[in-house]
Amino acid sequence: NAGVTQTPKFQVLKTGQSMTLQCAQDMNHEYMSWYRQDPGMGLRLIHYSVGAGITDQGEVPNGYNVSRSTTEDFPLRLLSAAPSQTSVYFCASTHIGQADTQYFGPGTRLTVL
Amino acid sequence: KQEVTQIPAALSVPEGENLVLNCSFTDSAIYNLQWFRQDPGKGLTSLLLIQSSQREQTSGRLNASLDKSSGRSTLYIAASQPGDSATYLCAVPYGQNFVFGPGTRLSVLP
Repeated sequence: NAGVTQTPKFQVLKTGQSMTLQCAQDMNHEYMSWYRQDPGMGLRLIHYSVGAGITDQGEVPNGYNVSRSTTEDFPLRLLSAAPSQTSVYFCASTHIGQADTQYFGPGTRLTVL
Repeated sequence: KQEVTQIPAALSVPEGENLVLNCSFTDSAIYNLQWFRQDPGKGLTSLLLIQSSQREQTSGRLNASLDKSSGRSTLYIAASQPGDSATYLCAVPYGQNFVFGPGTRLSVLP
C-alpha cells in the first residue's frame, strides 16, 4: 500500500492564483480530511468527507473547496490564493469506527506571495 | 467543545533518560486517543492508539496510558535516544472529526 499520498510537495503561488492540492489513499478509507498546520496554531481542520459524494466544513473552510467523487481521492482547491493561506497542508484518512488509526500524507508546503 | 492541551510545550533531556509527556482533554466522552510523532518538515506518524476500554498500550520503548475520568493521557518514553527527537502530538475524536493538541517538542541530547 502507498498509504496517503499528496502532490505537490512544494508550491509557490502569487496572490489571486488558483490551484488544486491532490490527495489520494489506497486503504479504502471512508473518512478523509484536510488540515493546515501553522506555527503556534497547531493542526486546524479545513474540510472533511465521510464518503464519496459527502463533504463538510471544518474549523477554517473559507477560501477552500473540496469534492469527493471517489473513495480514493479528495482534492483541495484554493480558489483565489491569499498570503494568509501560506501554510503546510496535510491530508489524512481513516476508517470510520472505534478502532481507527489516522494516516497522514507527507504534506504540501504552500507559499503565497 | 473538546479542547486538548499538552504539557510541556518543549522538553530537552540527555540521552538515556526516561521521560513523560502529558495530554489533557476536556470532554471525557472519547472512544480512543492517539499519539503521533512529527519530524521536522514531515507528516504525522501514528505511534499508539488507545481504546477507551484500555488503560495502557505499549510499543517498544513507548507506553501510553489513558485515564478518561480525569481527562488525561501520558506517553512514557524509556531510555530516550537522539532519534526520539521530534514533536509528539495527541489527538482525540470529537463528533465526526479529531482534535489535536499543540504538541510537545522533544530534544534528546547525545
